[in-house]
Amino acid sequence: AQSVTQPDIHITVSEGASLELRCNYSYGATPYLFWYVQSPGQGLQLLLKYFSGDTLVQGIKGFEAEFKRSQSSFNLRKPSVHWSDAAEYFCAVGAVMRGNTPLVFGKGTRLSVIA
Amino acid sequence: DSGVTQTPKHLITATGQRVTLRCSPRSGDLSVYWYQQSLDQGLQFLIQYYNGEERAKGNILERFSAQQFPDLHSELNLSSLELGDSALYFCASSVGASGGTDTQYFGPGTRLTVL
Repeated sequence: AQSVTQPDIHITVSEGASLELRCNYSYGATPYLFWYVQSPGQGLQLLLKYFSGDTLVQGIKGFEAEFKRSQSSFNLRKPSVHWSDAAEYFCAVGAVMRGNTPLVFGKGTRLSVIA
Repeated sequence: DSGVTQTPKHLITATGQRVTLRCSPRSGDLSVYWYQQSLDQGLQFLIQYYNGEERAKGNILERFSAQQFPDLHSELNLSSLELGDSALYFCASSVGASGGTDTQYFGPGTRLTVL
């Protein structure tokens, strides 16, 4: 079965600063990786996903993520954070094999943005 | 707006009671997924239905059951409720059967409070 670890529970960054949210996964086969964002009182919205090909994936809202197989990581980055980016971010790994939980989420990283 | 609707938005009930949560998927989506989000457990996959059939099962309690109807909407039934069942319940939908690779679109959630 697959698993996901997001080591940082809470991160605070200044508006305009760069951001990197960490995600490590465990899965025996080729992973399908996702980043979702949850704003307060909202459902989850997909930021980006990686299936294969180019290891640098571009998403919505100026986010990107890089898949590094050797490190089992899929870190999310943004060059300049806006106050509206304050939210909870979830990394998820998808399983191809039937019988596994389709999508396993990390515990999330809460992002606070200060002026 | 993801196109996934959930009702009700909030539900307050007492221990021992039974409630039904409803979800309508995006137009054209055949899969419906149910998740439970709590502070201590994070986002936990409960169950998936694809075109009316149960497709995958996660950490769903025996007191909980779900079904998907011919019009593709789904209901999650929670019975003999306990204080620990208080959580945010999300529904998601996707086009295909593979929840691990398809993009899942999330509804706004139903917040259940058990007193």
